[in-house]
Amino acid sequence: NAGVMQNPRHLVRRRGQEARLRCSPMKGHSHVYWYRQLPEEGLKFMVYLQKENIIDESGMPKERFSAEFPKEGPSILRIQQVVRGDSAAYFCASSPRGGLDTGELFFGEGSRLTVL
Amino acid sequence: SQQGEEDPQALSIQEGENATMNCSYKTSINNLQWYRQNSGRGLVHLILIRSNEREKHSGRLRVTLDTSKKSSSLLITASRAADTASYFCATDEKTGGFKTIFGAGTRLFVKA
Repeated sequence: NAGVMQNPRHLVRRRGQEARLRCSPMKGHSHVYWYRQLPEEGLKFMVYLQKENIIDESGMPKERFSAEFPKEGPSILRIQQVVRGDSAAYFCASSPRGGLDTGELFFGEGSRLTVL
Repeated sequence: SQQGEEDPQALSIQEGENATMNCSYKTSINNLQWYRQNSGRGLVHLILIRSNEREKHSGRLRVTLDTSKKSSSLLITASRAADTASYFCATDEKTGGFKTIFGAGTRLFVKA
């Protein structure tokens, strides 16, 4: 049973370009979470999605950032018109449950975005 | 929002010693979890303790939870060089969709 798969592992973009990060949750998991991590810091919550629905996007910047989790295919975190401040590691996690008893999150290895 | 705050930020000990990390949080929780992150890798779940539990063990790990003080501690006994990693506490935030919020972490370095 494969774990949470994220790709690409490393992505380099120039300012103004778009970054698209993909996350395939563990088999049977319908809850996906995206986090952002700066070097030597903790994880900052961005968005929580369930299949075809955004449950909580309170951590997402209002502009340039969007996320989706379609019925078929991976969850995608999209950053438009990237700026240097977007450089970070972006982690995806999945769980089989959500809500009151979410429990353990299963993390991918992250996608490291560098904006030149 | 940042729910959990770990203390200390960094900890350096000798192999064989015990390592204690603390976590404080602000709001009521349903459960508290501890995760480990090796450099450049994703987080790995270590242990979950529910709000009605006071102590939990898993191998060399011991977690305590004091809901009256809104704090938790993670004790790693007989540490090994391989325990070198960052350790994060995480709590569920009961706003909207019950998202899991992580603290800033404690960086543990175990010297061989």
